[in-house]
Amino acid sequence: GDSVTQTEGLVTLTEGLPVMLNCTYQTIYSNPFLFWYVQHLNESPRLLLKSFTDNKRTEHQGFHATLHKSSSSFHLQKSSAQLSDSALYYCALVSSGSWQLIFGSGTQLTVMP
Amino acid sequence: DPKIIQKPKYLVAVTGSEKILICEQYLGHNAMYWYRQSAKKPLEFMFSYSYQKLMDNQTASSRFQPQSSKKNHLDLQITALKPDDSATYFCASSQETKNSDYTFGSGTRLLVI
Repeated sequence: GDSVTQTEGLVTLTEGLPVMLNCTYQTIYSNPFLFWYVQHLNESPRLLLKSFTDNKRTEHQGFHATLHKSSSSFHLQKSSAQLSDSALYYCALVSSGSWQLIFGSGTQLTVMP
Repeated sequence: DPKIIQKPKYLVAVTGSEKILICEQYLGHNAMYWYRQSAKKPLEFMFSYSYQKLMDNQTASSRFQPQSSKKNHLDLQITALKPDDSATYFCASSQETKNSDYTFGSGTRLLVI
């Protein structure tokens, strides 16, 4: 079945350093839709960015991601981390043949001063 | 004004009791969902509804029963509560399209003692 893998459970880095959160997916569907959701402490998840176009960079609020179908990846990146970026980040995939989102296990990003 | 209303925000229940979590969305979406998030697990899909019909159920226990009295309502009834049911329960909604964003409610924090 469809699945999303986020290999890092916890990422801690210093303010100003680049961010890269890994996301790979598995699906039989040839045109997947990939999403990144962000959840700050005591809040609900909200959409950060999404893409369904192969090899096209998508940007929002300083973050960017590129869907690479050849490697089934949709890594989240930011050039310079800010303290306010500390949050739980979920990669998600629309499952084959439906509109249902399948979430990865999440990556907790902590940015230190 | 919040687009998805979840009530109550906090709930303390005694083991063995029954509670109903309320969810109403005012986004005009035709699909609604329940997710659970506990300290030990990531965002966990429970149910999906479309036009008031159950589309998918990933909850093993029959103690969890969704109820949809109106198109924009999806309540969650939990019977015979256990301490392990303690979690934050999020309601979400979307349109039935692959690139549709999920909008999450603010959640109901349930503590079973």
